[in-house]
Amino acid sequence: GDSVTQMEGPVTLSEEAFLTINCTYTATGYPSLFWYVQYPGEGLQLLLKATKADDKGSNKGFEATYRKETTSFHLEKGSVQVSDSAVYFCALRNTDKLIFGTGTRLQVFP
Amino acid sequence: GAGVSQSPSNKVTEKGKDVELRCDPISGHTALYWYRQSLGQGLEFLIYFQGNSAPDKSGLPSDRFSAERTGGSVSTLTIQRTQQEDSAVYLCASSLKRGEYNEQFFGPGTRLTVL
Repeated sequence: GDSVTQMEGPVTLSEEAFLTINCTYTATGYPSLFWYVQYPGEGLQLLLKATKADDKGSNKGFEATYRKETTSFHLEKGSVQVSDSAVYFCALRNTDKLIFGTGTRLQVFP
Repeated sequence: GAGVSQSPSNKVTEKGKDVELRCDPISGHTALYWYRQSLGQGLEFLIYFQGNSAPDKSGLPSDRFSAERTGGSVSTLTIQRTQQEDSAVYLCASSLKRGEYNEQFFGPGTRLTVL
């Protein structure tokens, strides 16, 4: 069945460091891909998405490119802030339901 | 406008008791989803509704779990004879309609603890 694999955390960075969180997927057909974020004490929020190969999703300085050839959707940010500390979930959607990775906790220190 | 709301926000119950969790989707959203977030299993799909019908119940872990939706709006997830492994955060989401291009908006969740 469809699945998502993302790097285990926690990822610990200093402010202004470069961030990469790896995500790969297995799916039949051509799913849409998503990154969701869960800030401490808050609900799950959509961060960015891409609906077809080579699309780049971007929001709040974060980017991810839908790579069909490597079945990947890695999340990147050039300069992280303390306020980016959260849990990040990669997900795919082939039909109606979302299939999530296990989540990666990011901790950014000043 | 108002987002997805869930109640209660926290529920502590004893093993063997039944619990009901409620979800109020965004007004006008026809599709409604239930997910579960637990330490051992991560975030997993349970069931979704289109209107009052549930085309996909494949994620319900056992027959102790059931859900219904009435009036195309409020949904209730019921867990009978709760077990400790049912402890998790239960998330509800809604979208304008079904289909992969429609964003799902999540509620704050209900944290269920089974003692």
